[in-house]
Amino acid sequence: RKEVEQDPGPFNVPEGATVAFNCTYSNSASQSFFWYRQDCRKEPKLLMSVYSSGNEDGRFTAQLNRASQYISLLIRDSKLSDSATYLCVVTDTGTASKLTFGTGTRLQVTL
Amino acid sequence: DGGITQSPKYLFRKEGQNVTLSCEQNLNHDAMYWYRQDPGQGLRLIYYSQIVNDFQKGDIAEGYSVSREKKESFPLTVTSAQKNPTAFYLCASSDRAGAEAFFGQGTRLTVV
Repeated sequence: RKEVEQDPGPFNVPEGATVAFNCTYSNSASQSFFWYRQDCRKEPKLLMSVYSSGNEDGRFTAQLNRASQYISLLIRDSKLSDSATYLCVVTDTGTASKLTFGTGTRLQVTL
Repeated sequence: DGGITQSPKYLFRKEGQNVTLSCEQNLNHDAMYWYRQDPGQGLRLIYYSQIVNDFQKGDIAEGYSVSREKKESFPLTVTSAQKNPTAFYLCASSDRAGAEAFFGQGTRLTVV
């Protein structure tokens, strides 16, 4: 089983739609969680951290479910500019903490 | 401006040659990472370093080497032992191990 799993998509949605991505992780002791956005042929950029209580940043909402070991990202009122690949990131615990990336979910927002 | 600088952006090398990719950060971050990304694939961890003069192998370290002699620098050498070196290489840093990371613009390496 992969450490971090995501549905690769693509998710094709019309402008204005609401879309949700899920990501599951295998290590129950994982401590930190993030969503990154990556545009084609560019570097990943931090979109938001994911907190246990859930957090919101404008049209974006992230949730963490530790019991089921998944995190989610909800995008409301999708814009054309939201088209990108969304990467789920999980960190290990302990002194050798490292970031593990999912393979990403591609979103295409259309007119 | 604070940030992470990778150079060069594009690199071409002949098969069998070693090549070193540069990564410099002025964010005063302790942790630095090297990832490889192949077309349509996710990021795979090559090496990471949590502190100067210390580094650990990631998931695909074979055929690569790194050094961390200075806090701000974490160069990656792709050796001739790496069987499929053509890829997009991304360097990242974070202020501590496991914290959110910030990436350089990447180096596209093509071996012919």
